[in-house]
Amino acid sequence: DPKIIQKPKYLVAVTGSEKILICEQYLGHNAMYWYRQSAKKPLEFMFSYSYQKLMDNQTASSRFQPQSSKKNHLDLQITALKPDDSATYFCASSQDGNNNQAPLFGEGTRLSVL
Amino acid sequence: GDSVTQKQGQVTLSEDDFLFINCTYSTTTYPTLLWYVQYLGQGPQLLLKVTTANNKGISRGFEATYDKGTTSFHLQKASVQESDSAVYFCALVNNMGYKLTFGTGTSLLVDP
Repeated sequence: DPKIIQKPKYLVAVTGSEKILICEQYLGHNAMYWYRQSAKKPLEFMFSYSYQKLMDNQTASSRFQPQSSKKNHLDLQITALKPDDSATYFCASSQDGNNNQAPLFGEGTRLSVL
Repeated sequence: GDSVTQKQGQVTLSEDDFLFINCTYSTTTYPTLLWYVQYLGQGPQLLLKVTTANNKGISRGFEATYDKGTTSFHLQKASVQESDSAVYFCALVNNMGYKLTFGTGTSLLVDP
């Protein structure tokens, strides 16, 4: 059974709309992350949360907002969607947000913006 | 800032061939280095991890050695199988211990 659940697996949106990508982990981890994988770039770090607090934000645009309602949840809200936002978004988690731990990744949400 | 370079975009081999995937890195610290494997339609999975303490990682027949002198972390496997076909990513963990910087990935195709 997958330990990091991302919903939906596929998502199609129109330019200018808003979407929320869901992520839940059942590993008992305290740190969660979002990464983006697009066709033209390597996997890119976006956010890091530790104990439900934002630790690092490497996303230039405020259109991307993580939301942590529970310790094992880290959703990603994207507003005013653009075609360039089309990518696969991966949620990941690790025991803590330090100590060089290798995060485990979910299976991703593939977003297409038309 | 940190960077990871994988020059090979695609590698095609036959079963039982030797695999070598090149990875070099640049950072101001002594990072933890990782290899992830991504199968079609799935998220990246950790293949192996190496720190400055242990220098070499081995997992599922794959091995990688941390070479500080050449700042390299090449991945090798003596005999590949068709099931090894996937994309392989080299990555390093930043000095804060949480952020991964990935290479562009090397797509491995193993013909039966």
